[in-house]
Amino acid sequence: EAQVTQNPRYLITVTGKKLTVTCSQNMNHEYMSWYRQDPGLGLRQIYYSMNVEVTDKGDVPEGYKVSRKEKRNFPLILESPSPNQTSLYFCASSPSGNNYGYTFGSGTRLTVV
Amino acid sequence: AQTVTQSQPEMSVQEAETVTLSCTYDTSESDYYLFWYKQPPSRQMILVIRQEAYKQQNATENRFSVNFQKAAKSFSLKISDSQLGDAAMYFCAYRSPRGINNNDMRFGAGTRLTVKP
Repeated sequence: EAQVTQNPRYLITVTGKKLTVTCSQNMNHEYMSWYRQDPGLGLRQIYYSMNVEVTDKGDVPEGYKVSRKEKRNFPLILESPSPNQTSLYFCASSPSGNNYGYTFGSGTRLTVV
Repeated sequence: AQTVTQSQPEMSVQEAETVTLSCTYDTSESDYYLFWYKQPPSRQMILVIRQEAYKQQNATENRFSVNFQKAAKSFSLKISDSQLGDAAMYFCAYRSPRGINNNDMRFGAGTRLTVKP
């Protein structure tokens, strides 16, 4: 089944403890992206990647890191999480050619205490 | 930078009736792509319909259709014969054609649709 898989689905952590949210897609898509969703703000893009080793900042990149060493994987790293990063996070992928929409993972609910 | 505005935080519709969700956007580009996504309580993001800016014909997918007004930068979603399963958050999204310089896909704040039986 064609899908974007992100883990974990739920995560509670403490301020300052480094964490990684994994994302993998099996559709051979060139584009991958991370969004965060907050009430009243919709989805805001954190980082996106157009291909292996090619990444660019979205609208809210501060406090996040990404890497794209393989085409299928695009992990999101929070090196020192803070409570304002408590949010619902989505990974997504799409073919190249921006006429396609993104296919989304099932989301990760992150709480930083 | 492009912005996407959904001015209706909440809407409701009677089952079997028609409802229209509004979306406007701001851009200086002439070529771009527009999307509507549905997010039911399961929180999964589901692509409903897409529109290419260079196509004048409005996109249609079964009971879902759009009214795309390029000059007005408006992209509304019409849901006909509303069903209980249509209840969800709906997000409008704009995708830039080039995807460089902080420019990929942007979303509006969403409209929560309630369907009354």
